[in-house]
This record gives sequence, structure tokens and C-alpha cells, in this order.
Amino acid sequence: EAQVTQNPRYLITVTGKKLTVTCSQNMNHEYMSWYRQDPGLGLRQIYYSMNVEVTDKGDVPEGYKVSRKEKRNFPLILESPSPNQTSLYFCASSFSIRGGLLSSTEAFFGQGTRLTVV
Amino acid sequence: AQSVAQPEDQVNVAEGNPLTVKCTYSVSGNPYLFWYVQYPNRGLQFLLKYITGDNLVKGSYGFEAEFNKSQTSFHLKKPSALVSDSALYFCAVRAINTDKLIFGTGTRLQVFP
Repeated sequence: EAQVTQNPRYLITVTGKKLTVTCSQNMNHEYMSWYRQDPGLGLRQIYYSMNVEVTDKGDVPEGYKVSRKEKRNFPLILESPSPNQTSLYFCASSFSIRGGLLSSTEAFFGQGTRLTVV
Repeated sequence: AQSVAQPEDQVNVAEGNPLTVKCTYSVSGNPYLFWYVQYPNRGLQFLLKYITGDNLVKGSYGFEAEFNKSQTSFHLKKPSALVSDSALYFCAVRAINTDKLIFGTGTRLQVFP
């Protein structure tokens, strides 16, 4: 089954304690991204990756890091979490438009990770 | 700059009535347009997309959307709403030369029995 898997689904942590949210996809997608969802703000892109070892900042990258060592995995790292990073996080993946697969341009999303930083 | 507007935070409709969830966009060139739905405690699920061709696109669960280039709109519609359609709906746009999705702020659809 085609899917994007995020872990954990729920996480409560304390300010300053490093954490990693994992994301894995089994569709051989080139493009992966992380979003945070906040009430009234919709989904905002944190970081994205166009392929292995190619990552770049999205719209709200402060306080986050990512890596893309393998095509299927795209972990989100919070080196020193703060309460303003309390949010619902989604990982997404898709084929890249540059690959020419116009029929498969929709993104697939993970189930989400609800993070609370106290 | 690309942007998506969903002017209604919430739409209320009685079961069996038609529903419309509005979306307008701003993007350079021809857009790719998408609708996603989010049920409680779930991720976003793809509903439908417009890439090219017929302006009326049909998607999952009986939903459809009409692309209107002159009004830069992509409203989501369904002829007869179900209580189970109650969820949060997001419109998104992707410029033709990028992979990045830009989302609207979402519209909560409440269908009353």
C-alpha cells in the first residue's frame, strides 16, 4: 500500500530536549516536505527536499532541521524545542514535476504528529 | 507571489442540500489546483485536482470542482451533502514550474442532519 508513515503520532516534551520526528514513504517520490498546521494559518511549509542530499528552507524554517540521506526518509529535527513549536506536523511526498509525471502530481500526507512542548 | 484564499472559515449545510466551499488563487502562469480533506485525527486526503483539460473535475466521495480561469477560482461542490462529509477542507495551488504546494487556511464544513 502506498503510504507516508510518520512517527510518533503524539509527543509531549520539555523545552530544550532534542527530538526527531521520522517520515518514510514507499512510493519512490523525489519531493518531500514538512508542514506545520496551526489554527487559522492553514499548512505552512517548514523544509523541503527535491531529492537525496538536496534540502532547502520553506516558509517557517526557524528552529528546525532536516536531512535526506535516503530517498525514502526525511526526518524532522528540533534541536531545542520551544513552546511556540507546539503544533500539528505533517510530512508529505510527491513526484517532482521535473520528472514529467504530470498525472501523478498530487502529494501524499502522513497521519500527522501532534507535538506539545511544555 | 503564489497564494490561495478560502474566504469562509466555516460552511454549514443541511444534509441532502448542495454544498460549495470556495477557493480563489493567485499564481503566475497556469496552475495545478488541488482539494484535500482532513478528518479529525487524520492526515490530509487527496480529493481531486485540476491539471489541464475539462474545467469540471470529479473526485472522490461525489465531490467535484470547477476551474474558472477568469475568476481565478476553484470552488469545491457536491450536489447532496452527507453528515459524514463534515471535515476540514483545504484548497492548494502548485505553480507549473515548482513542486511546492501553497495551501489556503482551510474551511470547516459542518453538515447537519
